[in-house]
This record gives sequence, C-alpha cells and structure tokens, in this order.
Amino acid sequence: AQTVTQSQPEMSVQEAETVTLSCTYDTSESDYYLFWYKQPPSRQMILVIRQEAYKQQNATENRFSVNFQKAAKSFSLKISDSQLGDAAMYFCAFRSVDKLVFGAGTILRVKS
Amino acid sequence: ETGVTQTPRHLVMGMTNKKSLKCEQHLGHNAMYWYKQSAKKPLELMFVYNFKEQTENNSVPSRFSPECPNSSHLFLHLHTLQPEDSALYLCASSLTSGALQETQYFGPGTRLLVL
Repeated sequence: AQTVTQSQPEMSVQEAETVTLSCTYDTSESDYYLFWYKQPPSRQMILVIRQEAYKQQNATENRFSVNFQKAAKSFSLKISDSQLGDAAMYFCAFRSVDKLVFGAGTILRVKS
Repeated sequence: ETGVTQTPRHLVMGMTNKKSLKCEQHLGHNAMYWYKQSAKKPLELMFVYNFKEQTENNSVPSRFSPECPNSSHLFLHLHTLQPEDSALYLCASSLTSGALQETQYFGPGTRLLVL
C-alpha cells in the first residue's frame, strides 16, 4: 500500500532564509506524480509544485523547488527567501493510477 | 478563492442529528472529492466522483452518504455521527479524476463538531 510520511510535524524558519520540508513515500509503482500543497491558516489549500516520477529534473516554481530522489523515494520541498506569507501547513501527496495519498502535513512558521 | 465553495463553514451537531454538507465548484470540472482532515493525521480521501459517478469509496462508514447530482455540486449527508467524526471536511475538484498530473482545487472546508 502506498504511504506518504512527513516526519516533521512543525518547522520554523527566519524570514529571508531557506527551509526544507521532508517527505518520503512508499510505492511499488513506476508511474506516479508527487505534489506539495499549501494550506494557509483559515484559507484554502492550493498547489505549490508537482513532479512527475519519470522526470529526472527537479521541478521549480519561483522560490519553491523540490529535491526528488526516486530511488530513495524522497520528495523534499525547499523554500528559498522565506516570506511571512509562506506560513502554512504543507502537505505532500502521491498520485498513481489507483491511489491518491496525502501525508499528515508539516506546519511551517516564519519568524520576522 | 471562490472556485470551490463549501457550506456551512462551521457545524455543530448531536449524534442523533441529520445534517448535510454542500460543495459547489465553478471551475467547469468533472471530478469532485470529499476529504477528512483530522489533527496530526494524514488527509483522508473519502469519496471520488467523476462525471457524477462514484469511482472511489475508501471504506467510509455508512453514516456518511455522498450525493453528486451534477458535476458542479457535491453533498455529504451525515447521520448518527460519532464524536470521533469531528474534523475539517474538505471538498476538492479537478478536471477529471483520471489524469495523474491534475491539480486539485480545494474548498475552505466545513469544521464539524459532533457532541
């Protein structure tokens, strides 16, 4: 069965600095997508970034990038130049033909 | 943030009550989803509808009954709930449920408290 593990319940980062949120997953499938979603306090969850398993190049969206290590089944999210608006719960998600699985989330706090 | 709306935003109900959660999407999508979000637990996918047909039911107790009258509306009917059912219930939509790369668009959720 597919599982997604986010081992950091909470993380803190100083404004303008860089933080990495970890995510590992377990699957025997070869074709899948991985996603990071962001859920700001009292606001709707939105997509941050996604990665196709067949692509070796790490996805990047402005200040957000991933470190995708397929063999290690790791999919970490790096946030550069952190801003106060980045404070949120971040969910890692795995999507295959048969499954859509989310992790438990990591709360990110940004200090000014 | 008006693409997917959910009502009510907050709901308190007794274990013998019957209530319904409503979700509406204005994005022209064909797939809709119900999730349960509990503190410190993974987001749990409950139901998936694609073109009004239920395509997934993740062993959800029968006290939760979904209804999808059309591609824009999704309901979750609740009856004889338990206190452990208290959670944030999220609705989401996507263009279809079949493509792996599709982004899901989430509603703001309904905060449910069962007394």
